Amino acid sequence: GAGVSQSPSNKVTEKGKDVELRCDPISGHTALYWYRQSLGQGLEFLIYFQGNSAPDKSGLPSDRFSAERTGGSVSTLTIQRTQQEDSAVYLCASSPRLAGGPQPEQYFGPGTRLTVT
Amino acid sequence: GENVEQHPSTLSVQEGDSAVIKCTYSDSASNYFPWYKQELGKRPQLIIDIRSNVGEKKDQRIAVTLNKTAKHFSLHITETQPEDSAVYFCAAILTGGGNKLTFGTGTQLKVEL
Repeated sequence: GAGVSQSPSNKVTEKGKDVELRCDPISGHTALYWYRQSLGQGLEFLIYFQGNSAPDKSGLPSDRFSAERTGGSVSTLTIQRTQQEDSAVYLCASSPRLAGGPQPEQYFGPGTRLTVT
Repeated sequence: GENVEQHPSTLSVQEGDSAVIKCTYSDSASNYFPWYKQELGKRPQLIIDIRSNVGEKKDQRIAVTLNKTAKHFSLHITETQPEDSAVYFCAAILTGGGNKLTFGTGTQLKVEL
């Protein structure tokens, strides 16, 4: 079946502009995560959505970052007034839900490479 | 919160040799430890995982061991092949809550012919 998809695959923007990154999780997956991967670095957790619960925003680096998930499916990560340090690959992942809660296995999308000039 | 350290940052082996990557974690409550492989320009892919109720798990040439007392876990790749060349990330998580993974900083594995 279809995996996690993200768009755009690449985004170049000027410093100060706003950007929106989109994630389509695997159908039926109830949990959705956003991570950031800077060049040569590990993955940094940003935000987590689970069903209708309030999202866990503990990883968002500043108030310029926000995310929403509509209808329990598609998610959009928005970065306002982008800065050069926001340049990174933004990865989305989703997890299925089985009895007792979401399973820990996370399936990643291909990422969006954001470059702020 | 959880903190995961990973070593080495780079590892070069000859084809056919074994490779070992080690990780330590700080939160003794963590109970799930996945390993991801990320080829250049591609998404991370889960290759193997282990839960805290077992000490070792094997899948063909890949094995993972877990020492809960010492809070460390390791990835073992035997009979390495050029296609094993990639960045490998370990991670730790306490399941049942947010399931947000804490990743190590990655190991660049290069398998040389």
